[in-house]
This record gives sequence, C-alpha cells and structure tokens, in this order.
Amino acid sequence: GQNIDQPTEMTATEGAIVQINCTYQTSGFNGLFWYQQHAGEAPTFLSYNVLDGLEEKGRFSSFLSRSKGYSYLLLKELQMKDSASYLCAVYTNAGKSTFGDGTTLTVKP
Amino acid sequence: KAGVTQTPRYLIKTRGQQVTLSCSPISGHRSVSWYQQTPGQGLQFLFEYFSETQRNKGNFPGRFSGRQFSNSRSEMNVSTLELGDSALYLCASSTGRGNEQFFGPGTRLTVL
Repeated sequence: GQNIDQPTEMTATEGAIVQINCTYQTSGFNGLFWYQQHAGEAPTFLSYNVLDGLEEKGRFSSFLSRSKGYSYLLLKELQMKDSASYLCAVYTNAGKSTFGDGTTLTVKP
Repeated sequence: KAGVTQTPRYLIKTRGQQVTLSCSPISGHRSVSWYQQTPGQGLQFLFEYFSETQRNKGNFPGRFSGRQFSNSRSEMNVSTLELGDSALYLCASSTGRGNEQFFGPGTRLTVL
C-alpha cells in the first residue's frame, strides 16, 4: 500500500516563506504532484516532480528526494490568497494517484 | 479551451437509491479519473478510464462503477446508496499518464 504524511495545519504571516513537507512510502514510485485547493473549489495543479532536486515556478518551488521518500513545497512572499489546502499526491508506475490528506495553510496579515 | 465540466453540481438522494454523475473532459484529453473527497478521508481514487477502458481502480466496493464513451466523456454510477457515500465527487482529465490533471468543479452528493 501507500502511506503519505503531511502536516494537517500550518500558519504563516503575509510576506513570509513557508515550507510544507510531505513524506511517502510507496512501491512503484513514478513522481509526486502538488495541488492547491481553495475551500469549496477543485484542486489546481502546482507542480510535478519526477527527478531529485528543486523545481522553481515563480513564488512556488517543489523539492523531491526519491531516496528519502520526501518532498516539500516552498511558498515565498506569501499572500493572503495563498490560504488554501495543499495536497501532495504520489503517482505510481501503475498509473494511480494517491493523495495525502492535505495541509491547510492560513496566511495572516 | 473549456475546462472540465461535471453535472449535476449538487444532488440529494436517499439511502438505497442509485445515482449517475457525468464528467466532460477537456477537449483532446483521453484520460478521466474519478475521486471521492470527504473531510475524514481526503481525496480517494475511484478509477481511471482511458480510451473507453478502465485502466486503474481504487479500493471501493462494486457499488461504484463507471464507463467512458468514445468522445471521452465519462459517467460514474453508485448503486444502493449509503449515508457514507455523501461526499464531493471530482473528476479530472489529462492527456495521459503522469501528466497534469485538470479537475472539474465536482458534484456534491448528499445521501439522506
């Protein structure tokens, strides 16, 4: 089976940097997705990491270590609109996506 | 390009009934996946269809079924509804394996 862990809740201040961690245990690992989901809305794609290392996309960056079963999402220059749930999802060679329970991020002024 | 659409957006049913949900993927996307989202269980994978074939299936009972048509539109059916089936049902489309999934707005199902 697959086990995915991420913190339930995090709070940060507007303008700050926050790192959301995700650890996983799985067989047939292919890659790891990060999605953002605002309350009452559908998830939207943020990143997909297949290889080890850091990928940067504007204010958002995602890191993957396949050997450690570890990923993080880094959000810089936080804005109020970044308050949302952040979901990591493991994608396997069998073509299945398994999602973590999500981390609810609250950005305060 | 139009996004993923799902109908209906809201649905109220009673225990024992059956329900069919519909999903129209983004034009050109042949993969459609279905998920159930509840506060307690998070996002749970139901199944994935590609070119009218079920390619993957999650750990849900046989009451949950689906199909995909030649135009890539997909339907999901739940028979003999139970209270625990109350959830947000999301479908997501993509061009293929390992590619970004685009989610629809979901169908909020309430079972009374």
